[in-house]
Amino acid sequence: SAVISQKPSRDICQRGTSLTIQCQVDSQVTMMFWYRQQPGQSLTLIATANQGSEATYESGFVIDKFPISRPNLTFSTLTVSNMSPEDSSIYLCSVGEENEQFFGPGTRLTVL
Amino acid sequence: GQSLEQPSEVTAVEGAIVQINCTYQTSGFYGLSWYQQHDGGAPTFLSYNALDGLEETGRFSSFLSRSDSYGYLLLQELQMKDSASYFCAVRDQGSSGSARQLTFGSGTQLTVLP
Repeated sequence: SAVISQKPSRDICQRGTSLTIQCQVDSQVTMMFWYRQQPGQSLTLIATANQGSEATYESGFVIDKFPISRPNLTFSTLTVSNMSPEDSSIYLCSVGEENEQFFGPGTRLTVL
Repeated sequence: GQSLEQPSEVTAVEGAIVQINCTYQTSGFYGLSWYQQHDGGAPTFLSYNALDGLEETGRFSSFLSRSDSYGYLLLQELQMKDSASYFCAVRDQGSSGSARQLTFGSGTQLTVLP
């Protein structure tokens, strides 16, 4: 199993600003995933982050809006840039490659 | 592209049995997973089926039919604490190429009544 922590757990931000979310895993992992979950909705994959290479983004998500860093095998950051109220959501970090995937507690973001 | 369908809501009483169905359309299918998410919590893994048949883990069982692109989660002896959202998810090739990634269904809100 993997234990994942995220910081911050929640934040309220003004439109036009940026927020960087940190994800720390207690073991080395090859791939880390960033998801977004709007209230009452499903999880949508934003991007996959591999150590030492650029993140791979899903359709509808771009690097300029959601830059990701992956400096080592236990850590990643996701930045939500130039925020608008539509970015209000829960952002979840996840690891796991085979049968089971583990999720962090999430970062609840509210953009005013 | 990928798509998964599951009921949006299910209600049952304590002690009952409930089945949550999931149908999917995807390419490069590897397996079907189920996750539980309580309000305000993170999704937690329940089960994974890569092959046809029934997998049993305590009160929860999961079934897969690859030929029908269909699976279900069976919850027995329901307890109040089982009230949560349940997501089916397919592990497939996805749009990011070589990574095997999870694509989630829209979720089923299960309410267990006393």
